[in-house]
Amino acid sequence: DTGVSQDPRHKITKRGQNVTFRCDPISEHNRLYWYRQTLGQGPEFLTYFQNEAQLEKSRLLSDRFSAERPKGSFSTLEIQRTEQGDSAMYLCASSFGTAIDQPQHFGDGTRLSIL
Amino acid sequence: EDKVVQSPLSLVVHEGDTVTLNCSYEVTNFRSLLWYKQEKKAPTFLFMLTSSGIEKKSGRLSSILDKKELFSILNITATQTGDSAVYLCAGGGSGGSNYKLTFGKGTLLTVNP
Repeated sequence: DTGVSQDPRHKITKRGQNVTFRCDPISEHNRLYWYRQTLGQGPEFLTYFQNEAQLEKSRLLSDRFSAERPKGSFSTLEIQRTEQGDSAMYLCASSFGTAIDQPQHFGDGTRLSIL
Repeated sequence: EDKVVQSPLSLVVHEGDTVTLNCSYEVTNFRSLLWYKQEKKAPTFLFMLTSSGIEKKSGRLSSILDKKELFSILNITATQTGDSAVYLCAGGGSGGSNYKLTFGKGTLLTVNP
C-alpha cells in the first residue's frame, strides 16, 4: 500500500495560466475525490469519481475546472485561466468498497500559488 | 446546506493533560462521522463512527458519537508533543451513489512540553 500520490507538490504560476494536477489513488480503490483546502479551513468537496464515471461536482467547481479519470485509475484536475482565488491546497482522496461509506485516505496535496 | 462546527478552534495544553474536542453536525442523509489528524500534509484517518454510544479507541485516543444530539467528541489522554496538529471532523452524507464528506474548520491543538 503506497498511499495516495499527488503531483506536483507545489505549483506557482501567473494569473491566467492553465495548470493540471495529477492524483494516483491507492491501488484498486474505485472511488476518488478531489477537495480544496484554504488556510484555516477544512477541506471542501470538489468532485467525485466512481471508477471512470464523474458522479458529482460541487457548485464550487466553476466552468474553469475540469477533472478526468480515464480508465478508472489516476485522475487529473485542470484549472484554466487561473485566478488569485484559486490559490489553495488541492487534496485528492480515495476509498474502496461496495459500501459507499468507507474511510477516505488522502494524499499530501498540491499547493497552488497564483502570482 | 450541510454544516460541521468544531470547537474550540484552538487549544494549548501541557504534556500529560487530557483534552476533549467537540464536533456538531448537520448533514443530509447522514451516514457516518469521521475524525482526521492533519499535521503539515495529508489528513490522516483516525476514526469512523456510525453508531451512537459506541466508543472507538486507539491507544490514547477515543471517540464517541451521539446521533440524537448530532455531535461527537474526540478525547486524547496523556497528551504528547507529537499530538500537536489540526484535528478535523467530517460528516459523511449520501446522495444517490455518492458519499460526500463535509469538514469542519478543525481544532488546532498545541501540546507544550
